[in-house]
Amino acid sequence: KNQVEQSPQSLIILEGKNCTLQCNYTVSPFSNLRWYKQDTGRGPVSLTIMTFSENTKSNGRYTATLDADTKQSSLHITASQLSDSASYICVVSDRGSTLGRLYFGRGTQLTVWP
Amino acid sequence: EADIYQTPRYLVIGTGKKITLECSQTMGHDKMYWYQQDPGMELHLIHYSYGVNSTEKGDLSSESTVSRIRTEHFPLTLESARPSHTSQYLCASSAPVGSEDPYNEQFFGPGTRLTVL
Repeated sequence: KNQVEQSPQSLIILEGKNCTLQCNYTVSPFSNLRWYKQDTGRGPVSLTIMTFSENTKSNGRYTATLDADTKQSSLHITASQLSDSASYICVVSDRGSTLGRLYFGRGTQLTVWP
Repeated sequence: EADIYQTPRYLVIGTGKKITLECSQTMGHDKMYWYQQDPGMELHLIHYSYGVNSTEKGDLSSESTVSRIRTEHFPLTLESARPSHTSQYLCASSAPVGSEDPYNEQFFGPGTRLTVL
C-alpha cells in the first residue's frame, strides 16, 4: 500500500533555532518527492521537488534531502522565523499512471515561538 | 504565487442547500483537481480532470459533482449539503505531461472552508 508517514506530528521551537522534519514513504514506482508549506486556512505552497537522482535541494533557509534507497526524506529549516509556523507536508508522486498520482502525508505542525 | 483562485473562501450554510464552489486558473493548465482536507489530516483527491469535458472521480468517494466546460474553470457542486460535508476543499491545477514542467507540479488555490449546519 502506498503511504507517506511524517514525524513528528507537531513541533515547537524558539525563533532562530534549527529543526528537521522527517518523511518515510512506501510509494512505488517513485517519481518525485515534494515538500509543501501550508499556512492555516491556505492552500499548500511548494518548497522543493526532488526526483530519484537528486539527494538534496535547497530553497533559501529550507533544505530537503532524499535517500531513495531507504525511502526517506528530511526537511531542514535553519534560523527559524515566526513566519515559518505552518504545516509542512511531504508529498510523493508515482509514475505508474498518466495522472502522476500524489500521496500526501498528514504533515508536521511547526510552531515557532518568539 | 500561483494564479489559481477559489470562491468563496468561507461558506456556512444549512443542511439541504445546493452549493457550488468555484475554482479558476489563469495558467492555461489542462489538469485540474479537487481535494478534501479535514483538520490535521492528509489531502484526499475527490475529483480530477484531464481537460475540457473530462472528469473523473478520485480516491475518496464524494457526493459532489464537477464539470469542466472551459479550460480555466472547474466548479464543484453539492446538490444537498449535509453536516458530513463540512471540510476544507482545495482546488489545484498542473501543466500537461510533456510540458516544460518535468515534475507535473500541482499549484493549489487558497481553499474554501465549508461548514454545513
